[in-house]
Amino acid sequence: DIQMTQSPSSLSASVGDRVTITCQASQDISNYLNWYQQKPGKAPKLLISDASNLETGVPSRFSGSGSGTDFTFTITSLQPEDIATYYCQQYDNLPPLTFGGGTKVEIK
Amino acid sequence: EVQLLESGGGLVQPGGSLRLSCAASGFTFSSYAMSWVRQAPGKGLEWVSAISGSGGSTYYADSVKGRFTISRDNSKNTLYLQMNSLRAEDTAVYYCARHGGGYQLLDAFDMWGQGTMVTVSS
Repeated sequence: DIQMTQSPSSLSASVGDRVTITCQASQDISNYLNWYQQKPGKAPKLLISDASNLETGVPSRFSGSGSGTDFTFTITSLQPEDIATYYCQQYDNLPPLTFGGGTKVEIK
Repeated sequence: EVQLLESGGGLVQPGGSLRLSCAASGFTFSSYAMSWVRQAPGKGLEWVSAISGSGGSTYYADSVKGRFTISRDNSKNTLYLQMNSLRAEDTAVYYCARHGGGYQLLDAFDMWGQGTMVTVSS
């Protein structure tokens, strides 16, 4: 099984800060990596597919990069509405389709 | 409107059974692979099971293999998850999710339902 290691597990930043989350796969997954945002009590929402493809309607302050085993998710200017937990997910192979452990983003 | 709506959750005793449903609307259901993803209270996301658009191919996480069965009725635009021999560790919100690549199983989950809570407790 492909393991996804996401870090940090939580972070606190100020409005306007740049926020970076990393996700490491246990083996090469090319660019088969997605990022989701989950707000409290809500279903996850797809933000970025194929490691760097921003979904329609998602603000441009969100971005993703990487390939192979190392991936990065960035919020260039943190906004209050970005408070959520973010998950990476690989789709190189199934079963299983695996998620990272999540990163909870809070406002300082 | 494109929508997924889960139902069937509730409280069940250990060893019991439950069947979840996910009603799809606003898109050609049979053209999309579908999955169930769960989230235990305060925990992260865990993929549970996937099914191809035709229903001919199914996949399971090791944690549920042999106990859960995924199926679909394309005439009713509905996805199912039959859960047997339930355990306390199956307690979670269960989401149905659409694979955005259509027939392609290996793709992002581009649509999610609102979730249904399953609690396994005596």
